[in-house]
Amino acid sequence: QKEVEQNSGPLSVPEGAIASLNCTYSDRGSQSFFWYRQYSGKSPELIMSIYSNGDKEDGRFTAQLNKASQYVSLLIRDSQPSDSATYLCAVNEGFQKLVFGTGTRLLVSP
Amino acid sequence: KAGVTQTPRYLIKTRGQQVTLSCSPISGHRSVSWYQQTPGQGLQFLFEYFSETQRNKGNFPGRFSGRQFSNSRSEMNVSTLELGDSALYLCASGWADLDYGYTFGSGTRLTVV
Repeated sequence: QKEVEQNSGPLSVPEGAIASLNCTYSDRGSQSFFWYRQYSGKSPELIMSIYSNGDKEDGRFTAQLNKASQYVSLLIRDSQPSDSATYLCAVNEGFQKLVFGTGTRLLVSP
Repeated sequence: KAGVTQTPRYLIKTRGQQVTLSCSPISGHRSVSWYQQTPGQGLQFLFEYFSETQRNKGNFPGRFSGRQFSNSRSEMNVSTLELGDSALYLCASGWADLDYGYTFGSGTRLTVV
């Protein structure tokens, strides 16, 4: 099975700072990548998808993909306490299957 | 626009029993996937259906099965429940191509006692 690795955290950042979440994957052939946010007791919510090398920005969120190094990252600018959640990196393994990392817990302190 | 609806939200079952979980996808979505989430293993893929056909299946025993109906609604069934089957079962719906991303339902919390 392909693997997706994330640091479990918690990653603690002060309000207003940039939070940087990282993810590495094992399958060099992977083509599409997703970041999900999961609040405690809730289901995962899709934040961003990225398919090409480079950066993709959406509001305060920026996804970065480097296929040569097999990593994906998510930057959250101007972090807010409401961003405190577990962030899941997911890789499209093919044949309609997502492989998820175990998630990084983010804590944003006021 | 209604989201992905899963029923029931909570279930308590006894070892050896069987259970059926239901998922209604977002209108227009024809792909439905099922995932199991546990604290130890995280999110694990169970299977995916599109137009009533299973396109992929994860590494779970045969006790886990599913199906999809012509209206895209899906059910998953777990027979002969074990304590280790206690988990949050999540259904996700999407378009035909996974690259457009999936939307998850609220999940069914299954507890096996």
